[in-house]
Amino acid sequence: KQEVTQIPAALSVPEGENLVLNCSFTDSAIYNLQWFRQDPGKGLTSLLLIQSSQREQTSGRLNASLDKSSGRSTLYIAASQPGDSATYLCAVSPYNNAGNMLTFGGGTRLMVKP
Amino acid sequence: DGGITQSPKYLFRKEGQNVTLSCEQNLNHDAMYWYRQDPGQGLRLIYYSQIVNDFQKGDIAEGYSVSREKKESFPLTVTSAQKNPTAFYLCASSIQGAGFNVLTFGAGSRLTVL
Repeated sequence: KQEVTQIPAALSVPEGENLVLNCSFTDSAIYNLQWFRQDPGKGLTSLLLIQSSQREQTSGRLNASLDKSSGRSTLYIAASQPGDSATYLCAVSPYNNAGNMLTFGGGTRLMVKP
Repeated sequence: DGGITQSPKYLFRKEGQNVTLSCEQNLNHDAMYWYRQDPGQGLRLIYYSQIVNDFQKGDIAEGYSVSREKKESFPLTVTSAQKNPTAFYLCASSIQGAGFNVLTFGAGSRLTVL
């Protein structure tokens, strides 16, 4: 059974720092991997989606990488801002289900201090 | 604007009562999903539906029921058989068959059993 782990569970950094959030998964037979942002008490917003054939995706100050063979993905946030404070979750979809059965990690709660 | 609407945002239930959470989308998405989120944990899939009048169990379907009579609507009933229903419930949808499966989430419904 696929398991997704995110370390650290919580992270506090000063504004302006570059930071890396980690996501690892146990089964490398994935269809894609997504990173989401969740603000307190709200739903999730999709940030980046990486297909299994891709190595990375970029959107503004965010860059997500995928190393399928080692079961790892990282989300790099450049020049962090207080508005980046949120919980970040990664999720993988199995290759045989084309994305309908996402497995989520527990999330990393990020606080960026002014 | 297109999106997903969940209601109610907050719901209190006495033990032994069934409650129904509403999820409506105007994105013309074929697939819809219900997830449960507990504090500090990732999302777990309850049920999903790829097409009208069809739905499949997710990882934690026991004590829950759904229907998909219309493309736009996917209500979730939390029955008295669900032993620990207090949680944050999230509804999502995606384009079926697009191969990308970017999920769009609603704002969530928080259920508390008194």
